[in-house]
Order: sequence, then C-alpha cells, then structure tokens
Amino acid sequence: RKEVEQDPGPFNVPEGATVAFNCTYSNSASQSFFWYRQDCRKEPKLLMSVYSSGNEDGRFTAQLNRASQYISLLIRDSKLSDSATYLCVALTGGFKTIFGAGTRLFVKA
Amino acid sequence: NAGVTQTPKFQVLKTGQSMTLQCAQDMNHNSMYWYRQDPGMGLRLIYYSASEGTTDKGEVPNGYNVSRLNKREFSLRLESAAPSQTSVYFCASSEGASRTEGYTFGSGTRLTVV
Repeated sequence: RKEVEQDPGPFNVPEGATVAFNCTYSNSASQSFFWYRQDCRKEPKLLMSVYSSGNEDGRFTAQLNRASQYISLLIRDSKLSDSATYLCVALTGGFKTIFGAGTRLFVKA
Repeated sequence: NAGVTQTPKFQVLKTGQSMTLQCAQDMNHNSMYWYRQDPGMGLRLIYYSASEGTTDKGEVPNGYNVSRLNKREFSLRLESAAPSQTSVYFCASSEGASRTEGYTFGSGTRLTVV
C-alpha cells in the first residue's frame, strides 16, 4: 500500500464546476501536509499548506482530517487554467517526505 | 529571481555512460534535494543535503552519488547509467530542515538511458 494515495483521475469538469480531490495517508506520524500543482512537463509548485483547522486561498480550500488520515482539496468555480496534476504531500520526521502520484484535472470550456 | 536552476534540461545517455546533473539555488536555502519522477509514481527522494557539508540517502539512492559543493550547489552523479534510471529528475530546496514552508523545485532534467 502506498503511503500517500490519490485517485489518479482524470477528472474532467466544465468551467465553473466545483471539484474535490481526496488523499489518504497511512503514516499517523505525518506532521505536515501540502498540495502542489504540476503542469504538464513542468516542475511541481506549492499550491497551499493544509492545516487541521482548514485553510482557504481564493477558490481553493484545503482540509485535514487526522482521525481519518485524509486530506482534501476543493476547487470552486473551476477555470481552464486549473487544468493540471495536483500532488498531495505528507511530511514525516527525519526528512521523510511522501508525494502522492497525483490527480489529473482537465477543465473544459 | 532565478530560484532553482538545473542543467541540462534534456540528456540521452548510453548504458554505462556517466553524467552529472547540476543544481544551483539563489534563495540562501539550507536544504537541498534530488528527486526522480516516474509515471504513475510520486516523486521519490534520491539524496538530500540538510545543510552545507552534509548529505544523506533518501528512498532510492542506488546508482547515484551527490556532492554539496557549497550552500548554493548540489550535484547528482550517475556513475554508470542504466535504463532503469530513465526518468525526470528534479532538484529542490527548502529554507530549513522542517520544510514546512514547502519546496522550490527546479524545472527538471529529462534523462533517457538507451
């Protein structure tokens, strides 16, 4: 079982739709969590951190459920430019950082 | 605002050849990393350098060596390339060991070993 698991998708949604991605992690010692965005043939870029209290950045909302060991990312009012792969990341102590394989999102006009 | 710079961007090697991937960051970050990314798999850590003068193995270190030349530069060497090392390689840096601020990645090196 992978330590961080994501639905690979792809998710195909129309512009303006709301889409949610979930990610589960198996190591209960994981301390910090992030969502990264990766465009095709580009490097990953930090999208947002994920806090237990939840956090929002514009159209993006990230939440963490430690009891169930899952992380979510909600994108509201999807734009064409949101098309990318979204990587879920869990940090554990000792420089152990686990990247999920990513969820692909296609937003259609 | 260059961030993390990797060279080369593309490389084709024959089995058994050697090469060094270069990485430099201009953000005064303490920690640097080398990852590989393969289809269907998350990024996997090859080696990392928590601070200048230290290097440690990550998840998949076999077949690679690294050098933290100074605070800015962290190179990855393939001594005898194998087809299994065909991948996209990313260098990354972070301000501190806690990494809570996230990583900054370079643009990647696409390596093919034939």
